[in-house]
Amino acid sequence: AQTVTQSQPEMSVQEAETVTLSCTYDTSESDYYLFWYKQPPSRQMILVIRQEAYKQQNATENRFSVNFQKAAKSFSLKISDSQLGDAAMYFCAYRKPQNSNSGYALNFGKGTSLLVTP
Amino acid sequence: KAGVTQTPRYLIKTRGQQVTLSCSPISGHRSVSWYQQTPGQGLQFLFEYFSETQRNKGNFPGRFSGRQFSNSRSEMNVSTLELGDSALYLCASSNSALARKDTDTQYFGPGTRLTVL
Repeated sequence: AQTVTQSQPEMSVQEAETVTLSCTYDTSESDYYLFWYKQPPSRQMILVIRQEAYKQQNATENRFSVNFQKAAKSFSLKISDSQLGDAAMYFCAYRKPQNSNSGYALNFGKGTSLLVTP
Repeated sequence: KAGVTQTPRYLIKTRGQQVTLSCSPISGHRSVSWYQQTPGQGLQFLFEYFSETQRNKGNFPGRFSGRQFSNSRSEMNVSTLELGDSALYLCASSNSALARKDTDTQYFGPGTRLTVL
């Protein structure tokens, strides 16, 4: 079974600064998908960014970018110019290639709680 | 476009009872997945339905079951509730098609908070 590890239970960043959240995963697959989801206090899960393993280019969405190191099985999230609204729980997730057996099951890490201070 | 809706939002049950949770996906989405979130175990995949068929199942006992209707709405049922079933149950929908390789996004609902006393 694929496992996703987030080694930082809590992180803190000052407003306007940059923070990096770590994620490692274990898989024997060569093709898969990786995601970062944000869960604010409202508990609504929101997709932040996604990365296809077959793409070498790191994904970027505005202030959010990833550092995808396939050989190291590492998938870190960088948040630039942090804002108070970025405070939330961040989950890293892995998904196997889509086929009739795997469907859309996401394997989540335990999460990193991000605190943003003024 | 309306998002994923889940009803009820909060539920309190006692041990031994059964419960049914409902999820309405985004219009046009045919895949619905269910997840259980607890402080101890984190987010765990329950099952996924696509076109009224269960396509994938997580490692949960048979007390957890689900179904999907022709309009893609899904329900999950938990029978003989145990204290450990207290959790936030999240539903997610996506515009899934088996032939597609691209990563269709899973959109999550607000969840149903189940408390078992």
